[in-house]
Amino acid sequence: DSGVTQTPKHLITATGQRVTLRCSPRSEDLSVYWYQQSLDQGLQFLIHYYNGEERAKGNILERFSAQQFPDLHSELNLSSLELGDSALYFCASSVEGREFDTQYFGPGTRLTVL
Amino acid sequence: AQSVSQHNHHVILSEAASLELGCNYSYGGTVNLFWYVQYPGQHLQLLLKYFSGDPLVKGIKGFEAEFIKSKFSFNLRKPSVQWSDTAEYFCAVNVGQTGANNLFFGTGTRLTVIP
Repeated sequence: DSGVTQTPKHLITATGQRVTLRCSPRSEDLSVYWYQQSLDQGLQFLIHYYNGEERAKGNILERFSAQQFPDLHSELNLSSLELGDSALYFCASSVEGREFDTQYFGPGTRLTVL
Repeated sequence: AQSVSQHNHHVILSEAASLELGCNYSYGGTVNLFWYVQYPGQHLQLLLKYFSGDPLVKGIKGFEAEFIKSKFSFNLRKPSVQWSDTAEYFCAVNVGQTGANNLFFGTGTRLTVIP
């Protein structure tokens, strides 16, 4: 157990819908990262938040957005869902956001878009 | 853009065999290198990481990796694998700049160890 929690574990929804994925980092961590793992793209970085502020953006679609709340939990919002958004979404956290910080990964949320 | 290549997609070994998984990256500057493992049904866990110093890095569970800068490689090794090493292994890099902590992952190598 890494100490990072993600809910829900599984999510099945239809195209065009909107969903929210939730991540709670380890208690000592200020940084939260979101990654998407799909069969065709592999594991890709989406976005990084540090202490409530967006720090870096990766290959995140405009239909996706995220935020980190004052209690440091984070939510990833996916809207206008398409079949291709079906993937495993991982959250990771680290103490700060330094390049040598270890990132601790959560168990992931498996999203299926039908 | 940075990229990470893992050329072995699926490796099958018998217990006690030696393991070497390849990882190559493309980036000309300073990089930090990581190997993560994902056991079946579990989350990604850090095996080892390299930032600077001795290019031979030892990690958990008997794994080690060697950074060869001239070859842009960071291969993972284990002298004698066990059935419990069956998992997917991911090599990852970040570009070693302050604030740039996002990881670029390889496509992963699935290791199956036969008892």
